[in-house]
Amino acid sequence: GESVGLHLPTLSVQEGDNSIINCAYSNSASDYFIWYKQESGKGPQFIIDIRSNMDKRQGQRVTVLLNKTVKHLSLQIAATQPGDSAVYFCAELSGGSQGNLIFGKGTKLSVKP
Amino acid sequence: ETGVTQSPTHLIKTRGQQVTLRCSSQSGHNTVSWYQQALGQGPQFIFQYYREEENGRGNFPPRFSGLQFPNYSSELNVNALELDDSALYLCASSAGLAGGLEQFFGPGTRLTVL
Repeated sequence: GESVGLHLPTLSVQEGDNSIINCAYSNSASDYFIWYKQESGKGPQFIIDIRSNMDKRQGQRVTVLLNKTVKHLSLQIAATQPGDSAVYFCAELSGGSQGNLIFGKGTKLSVKP
Repeated sequence: ETGVTQSPTHLIKTRGQQVTLRCSSQSGHNTVSWYQQALGQGPQFIFQYYREEENGRGNFPPRFSGLQFPNYSSELNVNALELDDSALYLCASSAGLAGGLEQFFGPGTRLTVL
């Protein structure tokens, strides 16, 4: 069935280092993916998205990579800062523009000063 | 801030009671989706409303119901509350067919069922 999973539940990095958060998806028909950041007590915050016709997309300090061959998605955060500490979710959109998001469990990123 | 607002922020109910949660979508968005997020889990899709009609439903029982109003705000109603209904309830608005695919989330309503 459709599912989105994450390789690592927790990730601890030193401030200033780069972070890589990984995600596997199982629905090869999915064509849109989003990374969300969720801080404690808040709703998920949109970070970056990518469509299946792309392999890479860059934002401010963040890059998303999509490997459709192995159904793998990653989020790279450059020069990680304490404010990046949060739970990160990847999600895939099921059902096109009127579809729903399927989330994984999330990866908790902790940034050590 | 996304412009999506939810009320109330927190709510405590007892088993068997009914609850109504409210969501105001971002300006220009006509689609609202509701998600349930249990502690330590990712959000799970409940249902979606587009132009006042239900437009997709996840694996939730009929005691979870909703409404969307002409101004695109939305309500989530849960009847006969159970202990497992304790969760963060999130709504997300999007432009749907009219625009981008991004869904923007509100801060959520934390529901505790005792």
